[in-house]
Amino acid sequence: DSGVTQTPKHLITATGQRVTLRCSPRSGDLSVYWYQQSLDQGLQFLIQYYNGEERAKGNILERFSAQQFPDLHSELNLSSLELGDSALYFCASSVSQGNTEAFFGQGTRLTVV
Amino acid sequence: GDSVTQMEGPVTLSEEAFLTINCTYTATGYPSLFWYVQYPGEGLQLLLKATKADDKGSNKGFEATYRKETTSFHLEKGSVQVSDSAVYFCALTLSGGSYIPTFGRGTSLIVHP
Repeated sequence: DSGVTQTPKHLITATGQRVTLRCSPRSGDLSVYWYQQSLDQGLQFLIQYYNGEERAKGNILERFSAQQFPDLHSELNLSSLELGDSALYFCASSVSQGNTEAFFGQGTRLTVV
Repeated sequence: GDSVTQMEGPVTLSEEAFLTINCTYTATGYPSLFWYVQYPGEGLQLLLKATKADDKGSNKGFEATYRKETTSFHLEKGSVQVSDSAVYFCALTLSGGSYIPTFGRGTSLIVHP
């Protein structure tokens, strides 16, 4: 158990809908990262938050947004969903922004039908 | 930008065979290097790490040595088991600035009895 909790584990929704994925980082970890994993694109970095503030953006679509709350949990919001958004979404956390490893949740598998 | 390149898979081996998965990196500073493993249906788990040149990371019979001169961090195991079947990701992190854990595309390992 990595200590990072993601909910829900599975999500099936229709095109055009909006969903929210939730992540609780390890106790004490200030940094949260969101990744998208698909068969053809590998593990793609989406966005990072550190202690409530957005720190870095990767290949995140404008239809997607995220935030980190004062209790450090984070949510990833995906809207106007398309079939191509079907993927595994991982949250990871780390203590800081330094040379430390990231701890991953088990992921949310999103299926858009 | 910073990047990690891994050999493409799948790598298919018989039980007790020797394993090498190649990983090279490009980084602007002095990264820490990691190998993560992803078992089917699970999130990524840290397998081993090395934080400076010539360091050797090891865990569960796996080893990798940080080679600054060749910018490499190849993963090796002397005798693989069926239970080692998984996807292996090489990754790097850099301290300071806009910190993003950067992953390779992953290499699938299949071990047959």
